[in-house]
Order: sequence, then structure tokens, then C-alpha cells
Amino acid sequence: QSALTQPASVSGSPGQSITISCTGTSSDVGGYNYVSWYQQHPGKAPKLMIYDVSNRPSGVSDRFSGSKSDNTASLTISGLHAEDEADYYCSSYTSSSTPYVFGTGTKVTVL
Amino acid sequence: EVQLLESGGGLVQPGGSLRLSCAASGFTFRSYVMSWVRQAPGKGLQWVSSISGSGISTFYADSVKGRFTISRDNSKNTLYLQMNSLRAEDTAVYYCAKRQVGEYYFDYWGQGTLVTVSS
Repeated sequence: QSALTQPASVSGSPGQSITISCTGTSSDVGGYNYVSWYQQHPGKAPKLMIYDVSNRPSGVSDRFSGSKSDNTASLTISGLHAEDEADYYCSSYTSSSTPYVFGTGTKVTVL
Repeated sequence: EVQLLESGGGLVQPGGSLRLSCAASGFTFRSYVMSWVRQAPGKGLQWVSSISGSGISTFYADSVKGRFTISRDNSKNTLYLQMNSLRAEDTAVYYCAKRQVGEYYFDYWGQGTLVTVSS
């Protein structure tokens, strides 16, 4: 099972909006509404930001939103804050031999 | 408050063994699927293994199948990962993670424990 494809890096200025893409196949992203997104600061554990494509857990800022079209999911961060600078990973359920697949990861830089 | 605390990491020689533990608290442990996810230095996340709440069903990534064994002790609220025949490519931070019921995402993660396989 290959990792989902994400851009290596995305950057934006404070207050701007950025979007991170996550491209898979019809066996994972495109086939199920089980896409999740995780934020990871250096040396820290991942934190769930979005689940089931577009749902936010309690406590996660509404500046974070998710969507999906065909085999590509997206995470949008609106009104970028300095503390949003982190690595972001998408994940999806997959019908392959392994039930979960993660994305390659995207480093978000706040300029 | 949900807490997951991993332990057992360290330096081990290639071909050696190590057992990781994850102590859970703040939720009804036996009701949830638990998993191990690893992250090699400077690399992305990789799912390793999952186990059902009862412990009856287990699942493994192809890269660890036959070498790693996941288990749990619901009386002690503890998750384990027995790692045998370790290879250099198993070097990573290992996280235990709780999966939400009926879903396919990890809502809580431990702080991780570092496993280094080197001679």
C-alpha cells in the first residue's frame, strides 16, 4: 500500500488561507468517507484535527476545515496563525491488505 | 482525561527483541480498538498494528507481519507490542493510539517511545 500523496511544503502569511491536498485512489480516499487529518508539532505526538473528511473534534478551531473530491481530500486552514506552523498528515481507511494509510506529510510554514 | 503512556523503547542490536507497553487511563479500555503507529526519524507516520477490544482480532502491516505481536491485558488497561527479529528499518518513535468506536481515525495518541536498532 503506497502512502497518500501530499505536497512537501505549503506556506502562507498570518491571516491568509492555505490548502493542503491529499491524493489517493478509489481504494482509499475516493472510496470511503474515512479521511482524517493530524497536526504534529516538532517532537510532539500527532493531534486529530479533522475526521470523516470534514468533521472537527471538540476543541479544534473552526479555522480548520476538510473536504473531498474524487480521490483527493483537502485540509484548509483559514486565518493562518503562527501556532499553525507544523507538519500535517492525512490518513484514510483502505480496502487493501492494511486498513490504514497515511499521507507523505506536509510542512506548513507561517511566513 | 484520556491518557496513553508508552514505555519500553531503547537501543537494541539487529536481530534482537523488545517489548513496548502502553498504559491507558481515562476511558473504558476494553471497549476500544488500539493501535501502534510508528515514525522513523525525519519521516512520516506508518500504521504498524491494531487489536480489537477483546484482543481476539489482530492486524499487521506487511513490513512487520511474522516479527511483531500485538496484545493487550484489559485487566491492566495495557497494550503491548512484542518486537522480534528487529531490523535497522524498524528504528522509529512508536506511538500507541486509540481508535474511535466504529470509525477509522485515531482520536488520542501517546507521547511515543523511541526504538533504535543499531549495532
